[in-house]
Amino acid sequence: GESVGLHLPTLSVQEGDNSIINCAYSNSASDYFIWYKQESGKGPQFIIDIRSNMDKRQGQRVTVLLNKTVKHLSLQIAATQPGDSAVYFCAENELTGGTSYGKLTFGQGTILTVHP
Amino acid sequence: GAVVSQHPSWVICKSGTSVKIECRSLDFQATTMFWYRQFPKQSLMLMATSNEGSKATYEQGVEKDKFLINHASLTLSTLTVTSAHPEDSSFYICSAPWGDTQYFGPGTRLTVL
Repeated sequence: GESVGLHLPTLSVQEGDNSIINCAYSNSASDYFIWYKQESGKGPQFIIDIRSNMDKRQGQRVTVLLNKTVKHLSLQIAATQPGDSAVYFCAENELTGGTSYGKLTFGQGTILTVHP
Repeated sequence: GAVVSQHPSWVICKSGTSVKIECRSLDFQATTMFWYRQFPKQSLMLMATSNEGSKATYEQGVEKDKFLINHASLTLSTLTVTSAHPEDSSFYICSAPWGDTQYFGPGTRLTVL
């Protein structure tokens, strides 16, 4: 299903700190997860993805952790910069679900603000 | 690769008029595209799945006669908001899959006066 929220969670950090953004997903059959970054007035931008057969994946300055037991996903951003300020969304998909291919279910999002 | 464009980036129209939004995959083909709507400070809500060569599939609660979708080619899907009303004002975003990942367009801001 879809996730709708009127007040997005917020996270404020100082430049240079590490940021951790959390997401709880609902569908235990989901097998593919993506983190997106959305800046004001723009479309979501792909950051990193992870499949359900993994519990950790690293990119440049970002790490995604997946805990399928508790259906929890996190995004870690190292040495956060002011340019990282945006809304971050997790999204889940059931790749093996046939009819649901490509239909992402988005989490409510977290507003990250990085102070210089 | 995997660039998705939208046109226009913003549009203002009068209540009762129709507005067409285009979504293009620039460097890849997409037999399926997706249309989302996003209200301020909210998450993305899937409206419909656009299928090349066949009818679109709409999510529950989305009026298919109001939001007309046409997947004209392997690189173009259009969303037409018919008889637009102020409550249709929103940010409309399309996406297209490349591999297992969805890539999103930059969005279209629709304001209905």
